[in-house]
Amino acid sequence: SAVISQKPSRDICQRGTSLTIQCQVDSQVTMMFWYRQQPGQSLTLIATANQGSEATYESGFVIDKFPISRPNLTFSTLTVSNMSPEDSSIYLCSARGEKYEAFFGQGTRLTVV
Amino acid sequence: EDQVTQSPEALRLQEGESSSLNCSYTVSGLRGLFWYRQDPGKGPEFLFTLYSAGEEKEKERLKATLTKKESFLHITAPKPEDSATYLCAVQAPGTASKLTFGTGTRLQVTL
Repeated sequence: SAVISQKPSRDICQRGTSLTIQCQVDSQVTMMFWYRQQPGQSLTLIATANQGSEATYESGFVIDKFPISRPNLTFSTLTVSNMSPEDSSIYLCSARGEKYEAFFGQGTRLTVV
Repeated sequence: EDQVTQSPEALRLQEGESSSLNCSYTVSGLRGLFWYRQDPGKGPEFLFTLYSAGEEKEKERLKATLTKKESFLHITAPKPEDSATYLCAVQAPGTASKLTFGTGTRLQVTL
């Protein structure tokens, strides 16, 4: 299994600002993903982070709002831009293992005030 | 569109009281069904992957089974430390490893 480290673990941000979340995996992985988990709800995929190319976004999520970078096989960042209170959520980084199972980081709890 | 429905939403058990959690799914060809455990304030922890109907996996007090339409997570003689939210997810072929999650079952095990 892969060990995934995310930072920050939590943050409180002012509306209109941006926050960049970092995700580091302890081994090279084929695929990395970013999920959002809103209070009391399940996980929703934001995008697939592609190494060396633009991320693939799911319906309802756009690059201008959630720019993603993946410069190598072990690291990715997600930026939440121009934040509003509706962006308050837990953001989770995930990496795909050898047999398609996904491993998750501890998450970043974001509160926008 | 892939869909995953978990039931019950919440379950309260006494220590030692065995039960099952259900995960019903609709997917165009199942590549894998996954069970995760999530503790409050933490990311999901991988438990099992099931690939085909009839397959079973076990880990301590947990046993996962799979049919063509649903999966069960059986909890035998649970302990308070088994309290968590249990999430089910499916992956369909050709979806670039995208997982579709259910809303989870919140399990509370009391003494």
